[in-house]
This record gives sequence, structure tokens and C-alpha cells, in this order.
Amino acid sequence: EPEVTQTPSHQVTQMGQEVILRCVPISNHLYFYWYRQILGQKVEFLVSFYNNEISEKSEIFDDQFSVERPDGSNFTLKIRSTKLEDSAMYFCASSEQPTSQSEQFFGPGTRLTVL
Amino acid sequence: GENVEQHPSTLSVQEGDSAVIKCTYSDSASNYFPWYKQELGKRPQLIIDIRSNVGEKKDQRIAVTLNKTAKHFSLHITETQPEDSAVYFCAAKGRNYGGSQGNLIFGKGTKLSVKP
Repeated sequence: EPEVTQTPSHQVTQMGQEVILRCVPISNHLYFYWYRQILGQKVEFLVSFYNNEISEKSEIFDDQFSVERPDGSNFTLKIRSTKLEDSAMYFCASSEQPTSQSEQFFGPGTRLTVL
Repeated sequence: GENVEQHPSTLSVQEGDSAVIKCTYSDSASNYFPWYKQELGKRPQLIIDIRSNVGEKKDQRIAVTLNKTAKHFSLHITETQPEDSAVYFCAAKGRNYGGSQGNLIFGKGTKLSVKP
């Protein structure tokens, strides 16, 4: 069964550094998402992406964040200047159709630790 | 925007008993309500979902009910087993704005422990 994959599984960085989290969505999916989950807390929506542009973003997704689909398979989340509070698990998800018409499949996550 | 409240935060049951987790949502325009199960250190996985045009959906030991008037929906697990132990998240699809597709807003999760 196809799965969403993410790399790296764990990223440790110094405060102020840039990080890029990578995702490979399921190949026939057209809708892509990033979520984050601070340890022990709920999953929070960051951004959705369709047709090579952002569809929607949350208040968390400020100017320090950006997303890109650099080629036909990868979907990346960049944090330009990391802060301590960016430490969290970041999940990528994809769906074949818009939310409510098909399931969002989640990747295994990247644990980001900002020191 | 949409806000989802989930209760209880923890739930402990004996194997074989039923478990019920409840969620409320704020936006009457929300029309899709999935439930995700997350085992420790793993990704959230969809276990069941319901759309606003039905009031109940069942899949083997799992059922979900939706009350649109009261804006709440519930997950019911019958004949619980130790492998049901996990964190369960409810979610609601937020309102579509302009050309957006609407996105999932999650509850805070319920840690279910099933004791053998």
C-alpha cells in the first residue's frame, strides 16, 4: 500500500538556523498538507497546498515558514530561522481529493528539536 | 474559525467494555468529521469518518454518531481490546474560504487505555 514518506525522521538544529523538512506524498495525490504536533498536544494545521500554490494557512504559518514542490514528487517545508518553540513533530499529509471527499494520509513525521 | 473540543482527555476501560469519546465543534458549516488513531511514536491513521449528510456510521467494532443540531459527534468502540490502546483525535473540516478546500481542525486527543 502506498505511503507518505518523510525525511529526516529526526532533525536537531541550533536556534536561528534554517531547516528543510522533506515529504514525498502518495504519487497520485494532488492535495498536500503540513501539520505540527508539539509533544503531548494536539495536531495543528499549518498549511495546505494544491496546484503549486498555497490553498490555506494557519496563524502559525508566518513569514518564517514556506512550502515548495520543487519537482513532481517532493513537498518541502522550510523554516528560515528556527525558534525554540518550533520544536515539534511535523507531519506531512496528502489526499487524492479535497478534504471531506477523500482521506488525508499522514507521513511518519519529522521530529524537529531546536536547541 | 472552527474550534473542536474533545472529552475526556484520558479514558481507561477494561478489556471487553465499551469506550465513548465525545467532540463538539463550533462552525455549523463544517461537513466532515474524521477520527484518527495515533499509537505511541507513530503517525495518525484514519479509523472512521462521517459526513454531515448522515447521522451514524459503523465499521465493525467502531461507530461514529453525529448530531448536527447540537454540533457534536462521538466515537464508540465496543468490545475493546488491548490493541485499541492509543490516542484518538477527532477532527472537523473547517469552513471553505474563497477557493480553499477547508482543512482539518483537531481536538486535543483522548488517551485510551484498555486493561487486559
